Amino acid sequence: GQQVMQIPQYQHVQEGEDFTTYCNSSTTLSNIQWYKQRPGGHPVFLIQLVKSGEVKKQKRLTFQFGEAKKNSSLHITATQTTDVGTYFCAGRGTGGGNKLTFGTGTQLKVEL
Amino acid sequence: SAVISQKPSRDICQRGTSLTIQCQVDSQVTMMFWYRQQPGQSLTLIATANQGSEATYESGFVIDKFPISRPNLTFSTLTVSNMSPEDSSIYLCSVAEQGAGQPQHFGDGTRLSIL
Repeated sequence: GQQVMQIPQYQHVQEGEDFTTYCNSSTTLSNIQWYKQRPGGHPVFLIQLVKSGEVKKQKRLTFQFGEAKKNSSLHITATQTTDVGTYFCAGRGTGGGNKLTFGTGTQLKVEL
Repeated sequence: SAVISQKPSRDICQRGTSLTIQCQVDSQVTMMFWYRQQPGQSLTLIATANQGSEATYESGFVIDKFPISRPNLTFSTLTVSNMSPEDSSIYLCSVAEQGAGQPQHFGDGTRLSIL
């Protein structure tokens, strides 16, 4: 079945440093979504990418969808302590339906 | 977005018993899902709850172990049956509107511990 891997698994940064998490799917995706889960919280939707090569920005966050629609990345510029949490990508296959396959996640810790 | 209430928020149960988790949404939604998340791990889809018909289970999950009900467009239950310590996990419901690419919105989850 479809597998979605993320690297790194963990990342510790100093506040102000940049952060990037990479997401790779074993199969081509119709679209990809990103979620953030704060410690003790539930996943919260951030954004969706649909088109090959698409780039979207939300303030300090930049999301990219690969040309082959099998990979994606999330880049955070100048991290803040409010960025702490686990970031999940979630891919939807090309076979239709609403099922999402969540990536393995990247846990971000930001130190002052 | 929809407001999702999940109950109970946590429970400690004895081995061999069953627990039913409820998910209530403040508006009608097309899609409802149940996930399991081990602490520090990713989310694994258990099943899609279908209104008025049997749930659609993912590989590795069966109806006898995780019976699901969805009597209407605002409510669903997940039962964890004949529990063992391996069932200790966080169980999350999520909702989404019909259509490719609709975001999912999650409840706060049920943290379940089996003794």
